[in-house]
Amino acid sequence: NAGVTQTPKFRVLKTGQSMTLLCAQDMNHEYMYWYRQDPGMGLRLIHYSVGEGTTAKGEVPDGYNVSRLKKQNFLLGLESAAPSQTSVYFCASSYGGALAKNIQYFGAGTRLSVL
Amino acid sequence: GEDVEQSLFLSVREGDSSVINCTYTDSSSTYLYWYKQEPGAGLQLLTYIFSNMDMKQDQRLTVLLNKKDKHLSLRIADTQTGDSAIYFCAERALGSSNTGKLIFGQGTTLQVKP
Repeated sequence: NAGVTQTPKFRVLKTGQSMTLLCAQDMNHEYMYWYRQDPGMGLRLIHYSVGEGTTAKGEVPDGYNVSRLKKQNFLLGLESAAPSQTSVYFCASSYGGALAKNIQYFGAGTRLSVL
Repeated sequence: GEDVEQSLFLSVREGDSSVINCTYTDSSSTYLYWYKQEPGAGLQLLTYIFSNMDMKQDQRLTVLLNKKDKHLSLRIADTQTGDSAIYFCAERALGSSNTGKLIFGQGTTLQVKP
């Protein structure tokens, strides 16, 4: 019962470095999401995907790119990390569909520090 | 725009009831959700309510929905120290039938004192 798995769990980057965060789900969900969580700001949507091969921008997409080459995986990339991207990143997935309850299932998070 | 508002902090004594409040802006919301986040972990769904319901009860949890005032509350009876966590209210985003997007509140930190 893995659910949603995020790797890595922790990472420290220097300004300007790049990295990719991996999200994998084993529930055959159509929809996947990347959020960032900052103190006092709740969860903000970065990018999302409604199916394999599709991606769309969320509320705070600048400085991030995503890819969904396989249905079960959703990758979040930082091309040139900035200190403002220090945050906790969460991936989520849901079954999808207009009539669905659309309960989102979350991974455990990736804690990223950019120095 | 769409917005979900919650108070940031609530402190209660063990055994008391906790009431966490939330207001939302989208009157067409079909589902509203409560998620719980324990320290160092991701969010877990606690419960949800469909918009044609006024109340939903699940063991120690009671959800009340006032659509007229766009107000949602979560009551936890007999609060335990294990209930200490951050609680997020969320609504389905406007026009989200094809995206499943949710709008989350800022989260309410519940502190339970022994």
